[in-house]
Amino acid sequence: EADIYQTPRYLVIGTGKKITLECSQTMGHDKMYWYQQDPGMELHLIHYSYGVNSTEKGDLSSESTVSRIRTEHFPLTLESARPSHTSQYLCASSEPPPNTEAFFGQGTRLTVV
Amino acid sequence: GIQVEQSPPDLILQEGANSTLRCNFSDSVNNLQWFHQNPWGQLINLFYIPSGTKQNGRLSATTVATERYSLLYISSSQTTDSGVYFCAVETANAGKSTFGDGTTLTVKP
Repeated sequence: EADIYQTPRYLVIGTGKKITLECSQTMGHDKMYWYQQDPGMELHLIHYSYGVNSTEKGDLSSESTVSRIRTEHFPLTLESARPSHTSQYLCASSEPPPNTEAFFGQGTRLTVV
Repeated sequence: GIQVEQSPPDLILQEGANSTLRCNFSDSVNNLQWFHQNPWGQLINLFYIPSGTKQNGRLSATTVATERYSLLYISSSQTTDSGVYFCAVETANAGKSTFGDGTTLTVKP
């Protein structure tokens, strides 16, 4: 059973606050990803990681940062939240090659007011 | 990079009807997945299908890798099938997936 968890599910926060979105997986996957998705729109890859101490920028530029200190944990941080950061953030992890099937968490809906 | 096109962009069905969703991609892929995004935003894995045909209940999928397309079939649709269906592909050297824009399916009772 695929287990990947994101917290919080929903977050409403004021402009200028620092926030960290949590993502954890219990499948031992090396590769993990963060996507950003506006309502009704496509997914945009903002960060990914090949494993511990590896982080890469995705296709969409983002002011957020990520870290990968442990295999199971891939948090995303915004140092100073702005209304333009309002979106849904989806975390995923994937099996190792050759079967690179990806599994997603439930997402975090972030609203910055 | 690889281009992924899904069609149709929107589809409205009456409950009980069948449908076919299409995903075209512009390069050879070693990974293709179909997802259903439910109204709460979660992406649910439907199929991991880089080639061949798979079936799971009322849903089935076929990928013809040599012709660079995949099809998702939904039979006897139900209102709970409503949502957005995404196709995601990964090429051998990319190390990451590229998503299509999705097909929004609405099933009316």
